Amino acid sequence: ETGVTQTPRHLVMGMTNKKSLKCEQHLGHNAMYWYKQSAKKPLELMFVYSLEERVENNSVPSRFSPECPNSSHLFLHLHTLQPEDSALYLCASSQERGGQPQHFGDGTRLSIL
Amino acid sequence: QQQVKQSPQSLIVQKGGISIINCAYENTAFDYFPWYQQFPGKGPALLIAIRPDVSEKKEGRFTISFNKSAKQFSLHIMDSQPGDSATYFCAASGGSQGNLIFGKGTKLSVKP
Repeated sequence: ETGVTQTPRHLVMGMTNKKSLKCEQHLGHNAMYWYKQSAKKPLELMFVYSLEERVENNSVPSRFSPECPNSSHLFLHLHTLQPEDSALYLCASSQERGGQPQHFGDGTRLSIL
Repeated sequence: QQQVKQSPQSLIVQKGGISIINCAYENTAFDYFPWYQQFPGKGPALLIAIRPDVSEKKEGRFTISFNKSAKQFSLHIMDSQPGDSATYFCAASGGSQGNLIFGKGTKLSVKP
């Protein structure tokens, strides 16, 4: 496999559920990112990891909890989400933090009931 | 100052025509300006990018024009094809963190 792979592709969950999104990159990159994509809004950067260390958290609510166990894997743990959290969640990676270009996965479409 | 303003929000072009999407920025620290293409059900994919030391970059039918003094850049798609129908995002990055700041996107429809 090459590139950035995200699973699951679609997720429907209730507000009281706990679920996790997974991202895996096969590019040998050292930086990984979580973005939120909502209709008619710019992509919103949520978290940045560099060499498995969280280096940026853009005022994201604590109901989103990222985890980066190694430089190839990134998780986004979800709990007690709100309907406004329904969106496409994109993972990206780059050679180093701030490096360009960033390579994106195809995202997880999340729907909160 | 961190915003990137993109227009139009949507664009309909006839096959063979020229598609033009514009973006403007305020932060003079930005030094990398990519365009991403996103098809339904897919993530954004880098299409073409430019740095401010040149005023134009061309790759096939896709051209970025960059006006540093006006703090504007644009994407031109020549001989537009139905397969070009997608959402296009401009972005900018620069400074110590190098985070990408995205525009809101332009949905392009190319009619056969």
